[in-house]
Amino acid sequence: QKEVEQDPGPLSVPEGAIVSLNCTYSNSAFQYFMWYRQYSRKGPELLMYTYSSGNKEDGRFTAQVDKSSKYISLFIRDSQPSDSATYLCAHNSGNTPLVFGKGTRLSVIA
Amino acid sequence: DGGITQSPKYLFRKEGQNVTLSCEQNLNHDAMYWYRQDPGQGLRLIYYSQIVNDFQKGDIAEGYSVSREKKESFPLTVTSAQKNPTAFYLCASSIPGSGEQYFGPGTRLTVT
Repeated sequence: QKEVEQDPGPLSVPEGAIVSLNCTYSNSAFQYFMWYRQYSRKGPELLMYTYSSGNKEDGRFTAQVDKSSKYISLFIRDSQPSDSATYLCAHNSGNTPLVFGKGTRLSVIA
Repeated sequence: DGGITQSPKYLFRKEGQNVTLSCEQNLNHDAMYWYRQDPGQGLRLIYYSQIVNDFQKGDIAEGYSVSREKKESFPLTVTSAQKNPTAFYLCASSIPGSGEQYFGPGTRLTVT
């Protein structure tokens, strides 16, 4: 089985809040984990990419992977209205097609 | 400026007509992919190609066809056999050996 489960939301938070987005996966053979941000009517943009357990930080964004629990998370600190988008988690085993979650729609209210 | 281009951005067709969506990349990526996205659903894989002159069916290949004659190009044809073709179509390419895939801006196809 190669599914990725993701809470679809929508999630609405006030500006400045910490946002937590989560996914669970079932295929432990998949080693690469990604978060994409997709604005309405645009292509997904690669936000975070990791291939190991633990945390990876990039500015206000932190990606967390827990391979023992098959759980991946994206944290957004000091959220801004410009962060309002759909966030997609995905994983694969390298040069293979990505398996996507269905996306979580986030709204950050000013 | 490297990237993936898809054209056109919006496409309108009558039912029963075949239509071809363009995808070009200048990232020198070997692998290319086509996904379909419907409202409230994630991305579903239509076809992918790991190398020139070779491609594999994805989860929802019925009613679609592709070709991969050049490394840079991976056009998708939506045939009249596709029962519900109206959707947002996304092309992607990937760095060989890594998990990262990069997406084009998408083509929104409407069939009436």
